[in-house]
Amino acid sequence: DQQVKQNSPSLSVQEGRISILNCDYTNSMFDYFLWYKKYPAEGPTFLISISSIKDKNEDGRFTVFLNKSAKHLSLHIVPSQPGDSAVYFCAARSSSNTGKLIFGQGTTLQVKP
Amino acid sequence: SQTIHQWPATLVQPVGSPLSLECTVEGTSNPNLYWYRQAAGRGLQLLFYSVGIGQISSEVPQNLSASRPQDRQFILSSKKLLLSDSGFYLCAWSDSRNQPQHFGDGTRLSIL
Repeated sequence: DQQVKQNSPSLSVQEGRISILNCDYTNSMFDYFLWYKKYPAEGPTFLISISSIKDKNEDGRFTVFLNKSAKHLSLHIVPSQPGDSAVYFCAARSSSNTGKLIFGQGTTLQVKP
Repeated sequence: SQTIHQWPATLVQPVGSPLSLECTVEGTSNPNLYWYRQAAGRGLQLLFYSVGIGQISSEVPQNLSASRPQDRQFILSSKKLLLSDSGFYLCAWSDSRNQPQHFGDGTRLSIL
């Protein structure tokens, strides 16, 4: 049972435009959501997070939106840069005691110059 | 600042051989520690987590085990590797349940 889903395996965007990466979840008990960025042969790097009590969090070019009623979150990157090309994982915290995370399958973003 | 070290970066092992992957964290104390595996084309699957020395919780039944002999050391082991154990293994830490997890650079394990 995939509790966190990223239904788009890949996304291609032109440099300077907006990249929108989507993530859906099924467990209404998730209370904290994160986005990670991963380059090949490296570990994921934390990008941005959002608590379930908020609907938006912004950090520079990155903004995460949370729609709890739809159980959907998205990551917006504006403007997109070639260096943003990577695999992006969304994750949700499944346990308030241990901080365990459930990850989506990832979306590969390619930003073309 | 905190850092996480994972080694080796790549490993090729024959079926049936033992395994030991090590992860250490510096610059923090009593971190939560995690082992994940990423199979080809898939997301990260949590294998084990630990909230303290000697405390290990397993998430999925498998051929692997984990140990935490010291506060900032987390070891992933197997007595006999299977072909299905191939994958990219990642160690992660967090200061608490409320903080993001930070990952090491991973170990690419290939079983022949």
